Order: sequence, then structure tokens, then C-alpha cells
Amino acid sequence: QKEVEQNSGPLSVPEGAIASLNCTYSDRGSQSFFWYRQYSGKSPELIMSIYSNGDKEDGRFTAQLNKASQYVSLLIRDSQPSDSATYLCAANSGYALNFGKGTSLLVTP
Amino acid sequence: ETGVTQTPRHLVMGMTNKKSLKCEQHLGHNAMYWYKQSAKKPLELMFVYNFKEQTENNSVPSRFSPECPNSSHLFLHLHTLQPEDSALYLCASSPGVGLARDEQFFGPGTRLTVL
Repeated sequence: QKEVEQNSGPLSVPEGAIASLNCTYSDRGSQSFFWYRQYSGKSPELIMSIYSNGDKEDGRFTAQLNKASQYVSLLIRDSQPSDSATYLCAANSGYALNFGKGTSLLVTP
Repeated sequence: ETGVTQTPRHLVMGMTNKKSLKCEQHLGHNAMYWYKQSAKKPLELMFVYNFKEQTENNSVPSRFSPECPNSSHLFLHLHTLQPEDSALYLCASSPGVGLARDEQFFGPGTRLTVL
């Protein structure tokens, strides 16, 4: 079974802090990794993709990949209340993406 | 919003009804997907089409029948559904299915309720 594991949360951080979201995956053949943000009642929105070991930064978001440890993370700097959402981690497997259940993030003013 | 549209946005149907969900992508992508999202569960892949050819059927019951007439349109035909099929059905598209071409973009979804 090819799985993507995430802590369901909720993860609560104060406004302005760094939120750290983590994900592990079981399929060693996975080469593409994604973070999606999903607001309640809405569809997932792609916020980051990462394909190589190391860090990838885009604005306030940094994705980190460690293939040896089968670990992906997402850092959100200067967290805002509007960042409160569920964050889905996904890893490719063949033709498909395997998704985790998501981590609920709450940014408190 | 995004380049992927879905209709209808909400659907209520009885177990004996037949209905269809429609998805259209305006991104020039070659791959399209159907997912099911139920409460407390990960997104479940249902079907994958690459260049109009079905490449994956993730053990989905036959009461769900996909159709992909071209790379821009995807349908999900529903018949004799069960109440447990009530969920958010999401369509997605990607440039392709290979490395660095598999970023998937989702439509807004159809909220399905089966009575």
C-alpha cells in the first residue's frame, strides 16, 4: 500500500509565526511531491511542487524534500489568519498522486 | 478561479436515478482525473485519462462510468448509486503524467448527495 502520512492536527500557530507542516511517504519510487491548500468547502489549490532534494522557496512558502528519509515538509513564514486551511501533501506513484489526509492549520490573531 | 470547470456544483439524486457530472479544462492539458473526497478520508483517485485513453481505474464500482471524448472534456456517469457514494467529486487536469508534467489543478468539485 503506497501511503502518504500527515498529522491531522489541528496545528495552531500565532499570527506572524512560522508554521511547519510535515509529511512522510512510503513509495520510494515517488519523484514528484506537492502541497495543496484546501479551504473548507472548496477544492484543493496547488501551492508548491518539489522534485529535487533540498529546499524550494516561493514567497512565504518553503518546501523541503529529503528522499533518503522519505520526508517532505512545508514551512509558512509570517503566518496569516488567511492561511488557516487544511494542507494536503501528495506524492506521485505511477500515473496517480497519493494524497495524505491533510493537516488542519489554524493561525490565531 | 481555475482553468478547470465542473457542473453541476451540487447534485441530489435518488438511488435509482441516472445523472452525469461534467468537467472541462481550458489549460491545454493532456491528462484528466476523477477523485472522490469523503469526510475524514484522503482524496481517492477514481480514474485517470491520458490523451483520452484510460490509464488507471482504481477498483471503482461499475455504477461509476467515466467518459473522455477529448483531452478537454471528462464525464462521470452515475447510476444506481448508494448513500455511501455521497461525497465531493473532484476533477483535475495536468500537462501530462511524467515527471515535472504531473502538477494537477483541480476544479471546484460537485457536491453529490444520494438519498
